[in-house]
Amino acid sequence: SQKIEQNSEALNIQEGKTATLTCNYTNYSPAYLQWYRQDPGRGPVFLLLIRENEKEKRKERLKVTFDTTLKQSLFHITASQPADSATYLCAPANFNKFYFGSGTKLNVKP
Amino acid sequence: EPEVTQTPSHQVTQMGQEVILRCVPISNHLYFYWYRQILGQKVEFLVSFYNNEISEKSEIFDDQFSVERPDGSNFTLKIRSTKLEDSAMYFCASRGGLGGGNQPQHFGDGTRLSIL
Repeated sequence: SQKIEQNSEALNIQEGKTATLTCNYTNYSPAYLQWYRQDPGRGPVFLLLIRENEKEKRKERLKVTFDTTLKQSLFHITASQPADSATYLCAPANFNKFYFGSGTKLNVKP
Repeated sequence: EPEVTQTPSHQVTQMGQEVILRCVPISNHLYFYWYRQILGQKVEFLVSFYNNEISEKSEIFDDQFSVERPDGSNFTLKIRSTKLEDSAMYFCASRGGLGGGNQPQHFGDGTRLSIL
C-alpha cells in the first residue's frame, strides 16, 4: 500500500532562515501533490498544489518542488518568521482520494 | 471568505451509541470529504462524496459508517455503534470544480468525538 513519509522530528530554525521540509512517497504515482499547514486544534489549511508535470511552484515566500523520479517533494519557506511555526502536511493525490503524511512540525525561533 | 463549518465542536457519546457529525460545506463546492485524526497521529482519509454518492472510501470506512447529503447544504457522517477507538477529531472538507486533486480542499475546524 502507499506510504507517505515526512520527517517526524521537529525542525527548529532561526527567524530569517530558509526552512526545507521533505515529503517522500512509495507505492504511489500521484497526479498532484498538495501542501497544507495545520495549527493545533485546527483543520489543515491549503498552501500550494503542484502537478506531476511541474517541477517547481512558487507563492510569495513558499516554494514547492516535485520530483516524480525520486518520488519526493520539497517544501521551502524563505525568510521564515515565528508565525510560520506550525505542522506542515503533504498530501499526494489521484483524482478524489488524498493521503496525508504525518506532518513535520516547524519551530521558527525569533 | 466562505468557510466549512462543523457542528458540534465537541461530542461526548457512550460506547455503542449512534452519533451524527454535521458539516456545512462551501456552497458552490461539488466534492465533499470526511477525515479523522486520532490525537497525535496523521490525518486519515475516510470517504469522498460527489454527485450524491460515495466516490472513494478507505478501509477505515466500514459498515459502521455512512454519509449523507440530506439537503442542499448539509453533509453528515454517521457512526452507527461507536467504539472506544472511534475517539478522534473528525474533519469535513469540500472542494470545487471538476477534475482530480487539482483543486484545494477547504477544511472545517473539526468535531472532537470522545467515546466513553
